Amino acid sequence: AQSVAQPEDQVNVAEGNPLTVKCTYSVSGNPYLFWYVQYPNRGLQFLLKYITGDNLVKGSYGFEAEFNKSQTSFHLKKPSALVSDSALYFCAVRDVWQAGTALIFGKGTTLSVSS
Amino acid sequence: NAGVTQTPKFRILKIGQSMTLQCAQDMNHNYMYWYRQDPGMGLKLIYYSVGAGITDKGEVPNGYNVSRSTTEDFPLRLELAAPSQTSVYFCASSNPQGSGSEAFFGQGTRLTVV
Repeated sequence: AQSVAQPEDQVNVAEGNPLTVKCTYSVSGNPYLFWYVQYPNRGLQFLLKYITGDNLVKGSYGFEAEFNKSQTSFHLKKPSALVSDSALYFCAVRDVWQAGTALIFGKGTTLSVSS
Repeated sequence: NAGVTQTPKFRILKIGQSMTLQCAQDMNHNYMYWYRQDPGMGLKLIYYSVGAGITDKGEVPNGYNVSRSTTEDFPLRLELAAPSQTSVYFCASSNPQGSGSEAFFGQGTRLTVV
């Protein structure tokens, strides 16, 4: 079965410092991986995805993610955090074995950036 | 471009009442989904549809029903509401061409059953 895990419930960083939000995956076949962000009382916004190709994927708002096949990881990164980056972040994998190819989500990681 | 629109944004139901959560998308996506989000649990798939007239169960379908009469609309019906259905509900859609397509989400419906 396809699944993702986000091992940290919360990540705290100071503004200006680099941030990493971790995600590991378990899939049968090629992984299709996604990161979404959710601000309070809002829907999920797409940040970036890995389908194939370069292991470093660049996305919205200065975020990037590194795909590592040997470690089955897809960590979200940003070189310099902003207070406005504080939100709930979800990693997801597409379930290609299901007819609807729905996204399967991790439990989410709350990112808190302090000024 | 409105994307995915959900109504209502908030609702309080009494135990045993019924309601329909509305979802509409204007991107001509064939694939649509309903998820529920509970604190610390991520999003769980309730139902999905791969096109008009075609629906199927997801991970947590009990207590819910869906229909898909048009490409644009995918309403979620709650019959005999229970406190366990207190949650935030998200509708999403995606382009079926390739597994690399991201899903687009509505703003959510916050439902409380008392």
